[in-house]
Amino acid sequence: GAVVSQHPSWVICKSGTSVKIECRSLDFQATTMFWYRQFPKQSLMLMATSNEGSKATYEQGVEKDKFLINHASLTLSTLTVTSAHPEDSSFYICSARTLASTGELFFGEGSRLTVL
Amino acid sequence: DAKTTQPTSMDCAEGRAANLPCNHSTISGNEYVYWYRQIHSQGPQYIIHGLKNNETNEMASLIITEDRKSSTLILPHATLRDTAVYYCIVKNGGSQGNLIFGKGTKLSVKP
Repeated sequence: GAVVSQHPSWVICKSGTSVKIECRSLDFQATTMFWYRQFPKQSLMLMATSNEGSKATYEQGVEKDKFLINHASLTLSTLTVTSAHPEDSSFYICSARTLASTGELFFGEGSRLTVL
Repeated sequence: DAKTTQPTSMDCAEGRAANLPCNHSTISGNEYVYWYRQIHSQGPQYIIHGLKNNETNEMASLIITEDRKSSTLILPHATLRDTAVYYCIVKNGGSQGNLIFGKGTKLSVKP
């Protein structure tokens, strides 16, 4: 149980275009999902907290108009990178917790974005 | 959340036990110890967590000292596929918040 899936696993896009990444909890409902970003040889950094039915909460320094988050259902959150630039190239990872969780999160496989 | 300290890297021979230490001397009474690992180019994988008692599951064992200021993750028979970065994280188990990842320990399992 507690499986989180992301799609796509990798995507290459041109500078200026938008890219949408989906995060699904496959066997549980998640009222809260977290989006992380990881640059090469660095640790995961939290970008935003996605709340079902309400606006996402963004970490300091993360532009909410650039990284659009939608959490329209209890099993799906999406991250859209708008007007992507090469510096947005990174590994994006989502995570969620189950209702029975005592703090542990379950992570998706990650989505590798390369902006040309 | 309390800060953790882990060695930057460790080596382990295939088939032997891998013992990964973590110091969390400022841990408070309601904070759990969580262990994750990240294999290259994959999302973090949950391994185990505990509050004060030792824990064991199909992946690993978690040994927490009596004063809870440190812990050790034990992989009983390491395989090449266990090569990964291992993260020790301390957080209030009742908190709905995220996990904060440090630099972790790069474990290299060698044949």
